Amino acid sequence: KAGVTQTPRYLIKTRGQQVTLSCSPISGHRSVSWYQQTPGQGLQFLFEYFSETQRNKGNFPGRFSGRQFSNSRSEMNVSTLELGDSALYLCASSRSNPGQGAEAFFGQGTRLTVV
Amino acid sequence: GENVEQHPSTLSVQEGDSAVIKCTYSDSASNYFPWYKQELGKGPQLIIDIRSNVGEKKDQRIAVTLNKTAKHFSLHITETQPEDSAVYFCAAVTGGFKTIFGAGTRLFVKA
Repeated sequence: KAGVTQTPRYLIKTRGQQVTLSCSPISGHRSVSWYQQTPGQGLQFLFEYFSETQRNKGNFPGRFSGRQFSNSRSEMNVSTLELGDSALYLCASSRSNPGQGAEAFFGQGTRLTVV
Repeated sequence: GENVEQHPSTLSVQEGDSAVIKCTYSDSASNYFPWYKQELGKGPQLIIDIRSNVGEKKDQRIAVTLNKTAKHFSLHITETQPEDSAVYFCAAVTGGFKTIFGAGTRLFVKA
C-alpha cells in the first residue's frame, strides 16, 4: 500500500513569505503528526491531528499552524518565514495513538530553505 | 518541559560487534518508547518499540530494555552489519499523541 506522501519535496522561499506543506497519510490512518528536523535541534514535535482536531501542540510560535481535512490529509502553514525556519519538515501517520502501539509511519519530508 | 536525552551522539563499531544506545526521559507519564532508524534522504523508520508495562523486547538482532524507575531505556544491536549504519532516534510518547525525540545517535559500522 502507498506510504505517507509529502509534497512538495523541496521548497525555496524568501524571508517574510508564507508556505503551505501537504501530507497525505496512509489510507485508513486518522492521526497525523508534524515534526521539524534541523541539525542543531534534532526532531521537534510541532502538532498532532486526529479526526480534524488538534490534540497536542509543541512549543512553536503561532506562525506555525496546521489543519486536517475530513479525508485525514493534513497541511501545515508557516507564515512570515524566517531564516531559522529552514529545515526538513516531516509528517507521520498512524491508525490511532502511537502510545497504544499504533506504529507511526513517516514520509520522506519536505525540505524548506528560506533565503 | 519534557525532554529525552540520548547518548552517545556518535558511535563507531566494528562489523560483528554490538552497539548500545541509551536514552533517559523526564516525563513520568510517558508510556510508549519507539526507536527509529533514519537513513540519508529518508524519513525515520520504526525499528522496535516498547510499552511501559514491559521491561524488555527483542526482535532478531535488535533489543530494547526499559527501566521505568530510572526513566531509562536502551537499544541494543548485536552482530552489527554495515547496513546498520544510520542515525538512530529514541522517543518517548506521552498521552498517546505527543512524541519527544532524543537528539539522535549516528552509528558507523566499519567493515
